[in-house]
Amino acid sequence: DAGVIQSPRHEVTEMGQEVTLRCKPISGHDYLFWYRQTMMRGLELLIYFNNNVPIDDSGMPEDRFSAKMPNASFSTLKIQPSEPRDSAVYFCASSLGGGPGGYTFGSGTRLTVV
Amino acid sequence: GENVEQHPSTLSVQEGDSAVIKCTYSDSASNYFPWYKQELGKRPQLIIDIRSNVGEKKDQRIAVTLNKTAKHFSLHITETQPEDSAVYFCAASKTGGFKTIFGAGTRLFVKA
Repeated sequence: DAGVIQSPRHEVTEMGQEVTLRCKPISGHDYLFWYRQTMMRGLELLIYFNNNVPIDDSGMPEDRFSAKMPNASFSTLKIQPSEPRDSAVYFCASSLGGGPGGYTFGSGTRLTVV
Repeated sequence: GENVEQHPSTLSVQEGDSAVIKCTYSDSASNYFPWYKQELGKRPQLIIDIRSNVGEKKDQRIAVTLNKTAKHFSLHITETQPEDSAVYFCAASKTGGFKTIFGAGTRLFVKA
């Protein structure tokens, strides 16, 4: 398995533009998580899905952020409109089962909003 | 709300020495405690984990201990090597909810 695949690896966009980040979880994993990492706030959980259904989106900072998981092999995180303070590394992670076992993280998307 | 505190934020040791990173958690229902290592520019990777029914777990040069009563858990790295230099994150979660809360991270420098 190729692991969790995220795209793009880097994204530079202008303030006000829409940004879409993509994630393909490990096949067979039934949980998918979106995290944001910054120096100031560390790793923040934005939202997570179980069997494609959003379970907890309490970490989504504002209505400008939305996430979808239309099927078991694909998820998107969208920011519209983007702002400079959204600049961060966004990680997607997946895991198997409702019990513990650790996450497998993707390589992340480094987002810069200018 | 749920919280995981991690100390120290930065740790510098000489190669061959031991390093200890400590975490505390607030949710007494937490029962799974993973540790992740993140090298510069890379993704966090699980290096070891411990469940609440175990007090200690060891894997070669790394070990974790858990004190459920005090809600403390620690990562111990012995015989440190330069390649151990990275940011280490502790985390806590509970089965069922599966929402993992991460500590702020410890930046470990191992000096050759």
